[in-house]
Amino acid sequence: NAGVMQNPRHLVRRRGQEARLRCSPMKGHSHVYWYRQLPEEGLKFMVYLQKENIIDESGMPKERFSAEFPKEGPSILRIQQVVRGDSAAYFCASSLGPRLAGSDEQYFGPGTRLTVT
Amino acid sequence: AQKITQTQPGMFVQEKEAVTLDCTYDTSDPSYGLFWYKQPSSGEMIFLIYQGSYDQQNATEGRYSLNFQKARKSANLVISASQLGDSAMYFCAMSLSNDYKLSFGAGTTVTVRA
Repeated sequence: NAGVMQNPRHLVRRRGQEARLRCSPMKGHSHVYWYRQLPEEGLKFMVYLQKENIIDESGMPKERFSAEFPKEGPSILRIQQVVRGDSAAYFCASSLGPRLAGSDEQYFGPGTRLTVT
Repeated sequence: AQKITQTQPGMFVQEKEAVTLDCTYDTSDPSYGLFWYKQPSSGEMIFLIYQGSYDQQNATEGRYSLNFQKARKSANLVISASQLGDSAMYFCAMSLSNDYKLSFGAGTTVTVRA
C-alpha cells in the first residue's frame, strides 16, 4: 500500500526557470495539501485541492505559483521564473476526507527539495 | 489564525534519559487537534502522536507521550529512554477540528548523545 509519493526528491533550477513538483496521493485519497518549509522553519500551508478543484489557496504567493490536481494523474505545484527565495522543501500531504477529525489523517510525502542557483 | 510556539531551538539529551519538548498554542476555538511530527536528517515528516482537545487522557504512543495541559494551552512531548535514532527535528502542529490546515511551530532540534 504505497504512501504519498513525490517527485523529484531533489530539484535544481537556475533563476528564471520553471519548477514542476509532482505529488501522487495515497490510493483512494482525493484531497491533497501542499506545504512549504523554508530553511530552519516549520511547514507553512500553501494550498488545498480536491480532484479538479482548488479549495483553498490562501497560503500561495500571489504570483508565479500555481497548483492543479487533474482528474487523472498527480497533483502539480508549478513555480514559474524561480528566484533564490523559492529554495525550500515542498511537502505534499493527502487525506481521505477534508477534515482532520483526529489522529494522523493527513499523510505526508517525503518532500521535494528545490534549490535555485 | 492559530499560533504554535516552540521556544527551544535545540536540546541535547543523554542516551536512555527522558527529554521534554515544549509546545504552546493559541486558539479561541474549543475544538482542535494537536500533533507532533519528527523530521530526521533525511527530511521526511513522520507522525508521532495526536491529542484531541476533548480527550480526557494524555496521549501515549510507545516511548512518546503528550503532556496536555489545556488551561495552560500547552502540549509538551515527552520522549522516554532516548535513543540515538531519536536525534531529529521535532515539530508541534495544530489543526482546528473543522479545518484541514495544519499550523506548525518552528521546531526543536534534539541531539541524543551516547
